[in-house]
Amino acid sequence: DTEVTQTPKHLVMGMTNKKSLKCEQHMGHRAMYWYKQKAKKPPELMFVYSYEKLSINESVPSRFSPECPNSSLLNLHLHALQPEDSALYLCASSQDQIGADTQYFGPGTRLTVL
Amino acid sequence: AQSVTQLGSHVSVSEGALVLLRCNYSSSVPPYLFWYVQYPNQGLQLLLKYTSAATLVKGINGFEAEFKKSETSFHLTKPSAHMSDAAEYFCAVSEGAAGNKLTFGGGTRVLVKP
Repeated sequence: DTEVTQTPKHLVMGMTNKKSLKCEQHMGHRAMYWYKQKAKKPPELMFVYSYEKLSINESVPSRFSPECPNSSLLNLHLHALQPEDSALYLCASSQDQIGADTQYFGPGTRLTVL
Repeated sequence: AQSVTQLGSHVSVSEGALVLLRCNYSSSVPPYLFWYVQYPNQGLQLLLKYTSAATLVKGINGFEAEFKKSETSFHLTKPSAHMSDAAEYFCAVSEGAAGNKLTFGGGTRVLVKP
């Protein structure tokens, strides 16, 4: 099974709201990723967790706060977002954080910020 | 620093015709190269990857790609297009030293005409 699940599928929030995106995998992978994808653009890496520790933060604004409670779960906490943060947020996982490892992507959460 | 260029943001092919999607990369070290496909409102699915084994890589759904170091290319082909191949295709490069950071090309949208 190479499935990465993400909830919710769609999310609409105001600029003062606090919400969270959830990502889960049960493949025993030890690396998990958050990407942001704007319309008609490629995904852009936001964060990488390796063995439940934050490994890479691509200078993402602090209104995005990642969390990895355990090896199967990855959250992205959202607070005080801007309309330009509207995008498809993709989660991915890989066996390890090694260049040859395949990243398996979830279906994404489509976020709209009003 | 690694980078990927996909020539042609849109490609139109007739059903049954050859599909050729071009990808050139720049990397300071031997790269790992990937092709992903994204259907509308979905996540990314791996088609194939190159990890320094055979230069001709076969993937799912009849796709294959050839790694040419001298040309720094990793073009994707499929001998006979099917209507279900209509999607966005992304080429990506990962350098092992960068901790499995995927850098994506701009994407190529494939339209299949009946």
